[in-house]
Amino acid sequence: DGGITQSPKYLFRKEGQNVTLSCEQNLNHDAMYWYRQDPGQGLRLIYYSQIVNDFQKGDIAEGYSVSREKKESFPLTVTSAQKNPTAFYLCATSRTGGGTEAFFGQGTRLTVV
Amino acid sequence: KNQVEQSPQSLIILEGKNCTLQCNYTVSPFSNLRWYKQDTGRGPVSLTIMTFSENTKSNGRYTATLDADTKQSSLHITASQLSDSASYICVVSAYSNTGKLIFGQGTTLQVKP
Repeated sequence: DGGITQSPKYLFRKEGQNVTLSCEQNLNHDAMYWYRQDPGQGLRLIYYSQIVNDFQKGDIAEGYSVSREKKESFPLTVTSAQKNPTAFYLCATSRTGGGTEAFFGQGTRLTVV
Repeated sequence: KNQVEQSPQSLIILEGKNCTLQCNYTVSPFSNLRWYKQDTGRGPVSLTIMTFSENTKSNGRYTATLDADTKQSSLHITASQLSDSASYICVVSAYSNTGKLIFGQGTTLQVKP
């Protein structure tokens, strides 16, 4: 079935480890986004990509990295440089980057233990 | 600075009652405004999308209004149900080729029996 698949749903990370969150879509959308959501705050943009092999930093890119080798996939790596990584991470896609509707995955909750 | 502010931050109502959520924005140039519903631990799902020329749009028991002059929007929920308990997020898009969305912090609605 069509949609956006984020995995895993829950992820635990030890301090100092890098972890990678997966986001796969079969909607044939060009643009993909990663957002971070913390309690009581709006979603904040980490990285976005409008086309394969190209991506741009969002508002809070420090401590994160991404790749866009395939149109369908936009993995997010949370590196050890991210000092406060515990949060809910949402992947989104849209047809183009020009203000069209964004569709969201079900999210990954990352907890540092 | 582009901003979206929502009020109230949280709201508790009894099942069957109506309620109205508010969204004020300072986003320019304005492209469109969306209301999303986000259940706990899930990704946001779009309820309505409104462009500059639209004043009112309904989706079942949800009715959104937009006043582009005062830069205000509201989401009215009629005859609330327990399943309406969720966070409601106002998202504004500016005209740009980056597709960047500006998120409000959300209103958490709890419907009690």
